[in-house]
Amino acid sequence: DVKVTQSSRYLVKRTGEKVFLECVQDMDHENMFWYRQDPGLGLRLIYFSYDVKMKEKGDIPEGYSVSREKKERFSLILESASTNQTSMYLCASSRLQFSIISGNTIYFGEGSWLTVV
Amino acid sequence: KQEVTQIPAALSVPEGENLVLNCSFTDSAIYNLQWFRQDPGKGLTSLLLIQSSQREQTSGRLNASLDKSSGRSTLYIAASQPGDSATYLCAVINQAGTALIFGKGTTLSVSS
Repeated sequence: DVKVTQSSRYLVKRTGEKVFLECVQDMDHENMFWYRQDPGLGLRLIYFSYDVKMKEKGDIPEGYSVSREKKERFSLILESASTNQTSMYLCASSRLQFSIISGNTIYFGEGSWLTVV
Repeated sequence: KQEVTQIPAALSVPEGENLVLNCSFTDSAIYNLQWFRQDPGKGLTSLLLIQSSQREQTSGRLNASLDKSSGRSTLYIAASQPGDSATYLCAVINQAGTALIFGKGTTLSVSS
């Protein structure tokens, strides 16, 4: 069965801390994504990656960075956490670029709830 | 820039009712459209994927249609059940073909 695992479901961090959110997929997918989800704003794309060591900015990359050293793992990094980064973070993966195979499906993890105090 | 809108934002119906959720998008040049379900505090589960060349897809009590020229999709749920209570999101591929652009969702509540 397809699986995207976000290791931390609930975190509470202090303002200014460096925060790591980890995501692992077991499907050998090329694409991985980080979204954040906020009430009234929906899901917004932070960063995505097409391959190991490759990354692309999404719609709201400010205050975040990512790391993809291995194909199965995509990490989201908050360099200096701020209260406006309190949110639910969702990791996702998919097989190939959407434009190549139009029937491509994306799989999501369970989400990581981050509270910055 | 592609924008996705879902109406209504919330919907409450009694069990057994048939219902329609709406999704509209501003740029008709899409690769595909997907409908997802999200339970409270959980991730998203893909329900139906309609490729750009298709008009509709069916899975059990769910039927999704796509009209690219008018920039609209509908999700039809037949004979609704309390277990259908969740938030339903639609998403289309962005113009660069690199990621999904989501609507804000419709939260459905089905009462028994």
